[in-house]
Parts: sequence; structure tokens; C-alpha cells
Amino acid sequence: GDSVTQMEGPVTLSEEAFLTINCTYTATGYPSLFWYVQYPGEGLQLLLKATKADDKGSNKGFEATYRKETTSFHLEKGSVQVSDSAVYFCALSESYGQNFVFGPGTRLSVLP
Amino acid sequence: DAEITQSPRHKITETGRQVTLACHQTWNHNNMFWYRQDLGHGLRLIHYSYGVQDTNKGEVSDGYSVSRSNTEDLPLTLESAASSQTSVYFCASSLAGPGAEQYFGPGTRLTVT
Repeated sequence: GDSVTQMEGPVTLSEEAFLTINCTYTATGYPSLFWYVQYPGEGLQLLLKATKADDKGSNKGFEATYRKETTSFHLEKGSVQVSDSAVYFCALSESYGQNFVFGPGTRLSVLP
Repeated sequence: DAEITQSPRHKITETGRQVTLACHQTWNHNNMFWYRQDLGHGLRLIHYSYGVQDTNKGEVSDGYSVSRSNTEDLPLTLESAASSQTSVYFCASSLAGPGAEQYFGPGTRLTVT
């Protein structure tokens, strides 16, 4: 079945550092790909998405590019802030269904 | 503004009791989902519904049930609560069709003593 693998962390960075969180997937067909963010005590919020190969999703300084050749959707941000501290989930939407498959989540801590 | 709400936000119950967690969305979405989130397991799908009167089992459905009598609500019932069901429960909804993003509620923290 479809699956998502991501670095589990925790990842600890200093403010203004460059962030990369790796995400790779296994899927049949052409899934849509997502990054969700979860702040402490809250539900998941959509951060960005991409629906086809070579699409780049971006939001709040975060970016990720749908790479079909490497089955990857790595999350990047050029300069992280303390307020970016959260858990980040990579997910895919099944090509032939409507359900999601989530990665295990990566906890990010940004220190001032 | 459209939203998805869950109640209660926190619940403590005893082993063996029946518990119902509420989920209500005003997005008018066809699809609704229940997940549980546990350390080391990420998000796991419990049940889902693609429309009124439609319900389906997810990967961890044992001990849980749902019913969908209208578009807005998908209550989750624990028939006989067990300590293994202590978790944080999230409800989500989405439009129908592949690639539709899911919108999540704020979660319910359930403790079974």
C-alpha cells in the first residue's frame, strides 16, 4: 500500500538557520502531496500542497517541490523563527481514493 | 466562517463505560474522518465516511463505531472504553474527490482510567 517516510527528529535549530525536513513516499499512480503543521495543543493545519509532478507548494516562507523521479517532497525554509517550533507531517492523498496517508511527524524546535 | 469543532476537548472516563466524542463541521463537506494520535504512532485512521449513511472502517477500528445521519456530524463512540484507548482524537473533513485537502478539528484528549 501507499506509505510516507519522513525524518522523525527531533530537529533543533537556531533562529535564522536553514531548515530541511525530508519526506519520501511510495504510491501507485499520481498522488497529491501535502505538508501539515501542528502547534502545541492544536489540530493539524495545512501548510502547503502540490498536486502534480514538478509543482512547488509554498506558504509562510516554506516550500516543497513534488519530485516524481525521486518520489520526494522535502520541506524547506530559508530562515526559521522561534514561532516555527511545531510538529510537521508529510502526507499523501491516494491516487484512486480520498483517504490520506500520513508520515510519523517531525518535531522542530527553534531556539532564540 | 466555516469550521470544524470537537467536543468535549478533554474527557476522563472509567474502563468499561461508553463514551461518545462529537464532531461537527460547517464546511458542507461530504467526507469526514476520525484519527487517533499517539506518541510513536503518528496519526492512525479509525473510521471514515464519504456521505450520509456511509461509514467505513480504518486501520484501527476495533472498539469504535460511527454513524452519519447528516452532513455536518460524525460522532465517534467507544462502546466499552479501555485504557489502550487513552489518546488524542482528531476529526477531519474534506470535499469529495482525490487530492482534496483535509481540515482538522482541535482534538479531544481522552483519558481512560
